[in-house]
Amino acid sequence: GPKVLQIPSHQIIDMGQMVTLNCDPVSNHLYFYWYKQILGQQMEFLVNFYNGKVMEKSKLFKDQFSVERPDGSYFTLKIQPTALEDSAVYFCASSLNRVGNTLYFGEGSRLIVV
Amino acid sequence: QQNVQQSPESLIVPEGARTSLNCTFSDSASQYFWWYRQHSGKAPKALMSIFSNGEKEEGRFTIHLNKASLHFSLHIRDSQPSDSALYLCAVSVGDNSKLIWGLGTSLVVNP
Repeated sequence: GPKVLQIPSHQIIDMGQMVTLNCDPVSNHLYFYWYKQILGQQMEFLVNFYNGKVMEKSKLFKDQFSVERPDGSYFTLKIQPTALEDSAVYFCASSLNRVGNTLYFGEGSRLIVV
Repeated sequence: QQNVQQSPESLIVPEGARTSLNCTFSDSASQYFWWYRQHSGKAPKALMSIFSNGEKEEGRFTIHLNKASLHFSLHIRDSQPSDSALYLCAVSVGDNSKLIWGLGTSLVVNP
């Protein structure tokens, strides 16, 4: 089936540094998402993105977070600067349409901030 | 704030058994209901969805929704060892594409 690729799968980074998580969504999909999962907790919505713009973001999407997809390349989540509480697995997803459509997820990027 | 709860937390069943997984939600305006399956270290993958009250069957899997009870469920007939995984339920409200997730039910099917 359709696949979403996430790079890197794991990253360890010093607190205060910048990190960029990359996502290669399903090729004909138009809507892109980031979800965050802290160990032992539910997966939580961070942001969705369409046509070059953030459509909706949650309170977890702090000012230090940004997303973009320049010229149809990777859909990226950038955290600058990172904090200890940013340690989590970040899942990227994409869908063809917005409402009631299946989200296709990547395998996640595990971020550890030390 | 939507609250999604799953039960049981974990389940061990023999091969061939019928398995039932439950999900409750708190927002009566919820409109879209999903079950995802996640094998260890892999991506969550959509299994089934339902958008109106009632039941839908796809192969060995049946999803049942009762909006009045704020409850939906997944039933697996003739469970197989390959069904062993984490099962996640998710709900979205209105025309919102944002999914609210449960914590998951860990299913082990013993051969």
